[in-house]
Amino acid sequence: DTEVTQTPKHLVMGMTNKKSLKCEQHMGHRAMYWYKQKAKKPPELMFVYSYEKLSINESVPSRFSPECPNSSLLNLHLHALQPEDSALYLCASSYRTDPGTNTEAFFGQGTRLTVV
Amino acid sequence: RKEVEQDPGPFNVPEGATVAFNCTYSNSASQSFFWYRQDCRKEPKLLMSVYSSGNEDGRFTAQLNRASQYISLLIRDSKLSDSATYLCVVNKGTGNQFYFGTGTSLTVIP
Repeated sequence: DTEVTQTPKHLVMGMTNKKSLKCEQHMGHRAMYWYKQKAKKPPELMFVYSYEKLSINESVPSRFSPECPNSSLLNLHLHALQPEDSALYLCASSYRTDPGTNTEAFFGQGTRLTVV
Repeated sequence: RKEVEQDPGPFNVPEGATVAFNCTYSNSASQSFFWYRQDCRKEPKLLMSVYSSGNEDGRFTAQLNRASQYISLLIRDSKLSDSATYLCVVNKGTGNQFYFGTGTSLTVIP
């Protein structure tokens, strides 16, 4: 199983709503990531979890709140989003290795989020 | 300065052509390098890792020049199915942070 599964695939939410994006992998990867991708732009790193602990927060606004309940799951809680937050949200995972080892990131299909 | 820089293109080439993409990275401590392919409205998928000695996979050849902090991808005998955006990805290693270049758009024309 080399899949990263994200749900939902599409989400429309109002600016006062609270919603969550979910991500799951069963490859034994101990590093998991959230990326945001706007149209015709590359993915931008938001958060990195390593061994279920938040290791990187790329200055993401607090209206995005990540959570890693266990080694297979990663959530992104959304609250009071703005229309400009509409984007494709991608989850990824990789083996957590020592520096210098080539290990790729596997991406889920993404959640296409529209904030109205 | 961006972590990873790429020529965004677009590159429009005829079938059978050879095309090369280039990428530079700013952090000399970067550890791992990759080329990903992303089709329209799909997730990025690994095309190939890039090793210091250079590596080849069929029609695709990747090169890494650590001294110049430069990565390249060569596609020979282009196929229509090669049309996609090609993303250069660099992992700084210490924090397992994968950073993407802007991507280069390729369209192979019949």
